[in-house]
Amino acid sequence: AQTIHQWPVAEIKAVGSPLSLGCTIKGKSSPNLYWYWQATGGTLQQLFYSITVGQVESVVQLNLSASRPKDDQFILSTEKLLLSHSGFYLCAWSRDWGNYAEQFFGPGTRLTVL
Amino acid sequence: AQSVTQPDARVTVSEGASLQLRCKYSYSGTPYLFWYVQYPRQGLQLLLKYYSGDPVVQGVNGFEAEFSKSNSSFHLRKASVHWSDSAVYFCVLSAYSNNRIFFGDGTQLVVKP
Repeated sequence: AQTIHQWPVAEIKAVGSPLSLGCTIKGKSSPNLYWYWQATGGTLQQLFYSITVGQVESVVQLNLSASRPKDDQFILSTEKLLLSHSGFYLCAWSRDWGNYAEQFFGPGTRLTVL
Repeated sequence: AQSVTQPDARVTVSEGASLQLRCKYSYSGTPYLFWYVQYPRQGLQLLLKYYSGDPVVQGVNGFEAEFSKSNSSFHLRKASVHWSDSAVYFCVLSAYSNNRIFFGDGTQLVVKP
């Protein structure tokens, strides 16, 4: 069975500090990977997606970057956090690349920027 | 432009009552539509999906949804809700033309005992 793990579970950071959030998928080779951001009480916005190692496409510019250093790992980062980065970050994977592909979501990371 | 609208931010129903959560989409191409549920402080779980065929699709836990191309809608229904159905429900559009995923704002469902 496939599992998706996100770390950390929660983070409290200062404005201007760096950030690194991680996501690991086990039990599935070459998954398609996604990052989403959910503002408190808001909807989800697609941030990035990746269909292969080393290749990441940006969807929304929020002064964040993403990388896929390994087949099963997806990293979200920034060198300088903004207050507006607060929210809930979700990683997801899908088996196939295609619009019919069901996405499986991780448990999320709650980020508070002070 | 592609978008998803869930007009009801919050719906309150009594346990055992029927339910309909509304979803309207805007997309000129073939839509791939999903309903996801999010329980408090958790990730999202798929309830059901539609991309072709019978416009009424069955999902988990007794949920179903009906696709209407003429109305650009994909409403979610359940015949009898349970208190454990209380959660936030998201309607999602997957747009073939640019590989984008669009979420509605979500509908908070509150089931009263």
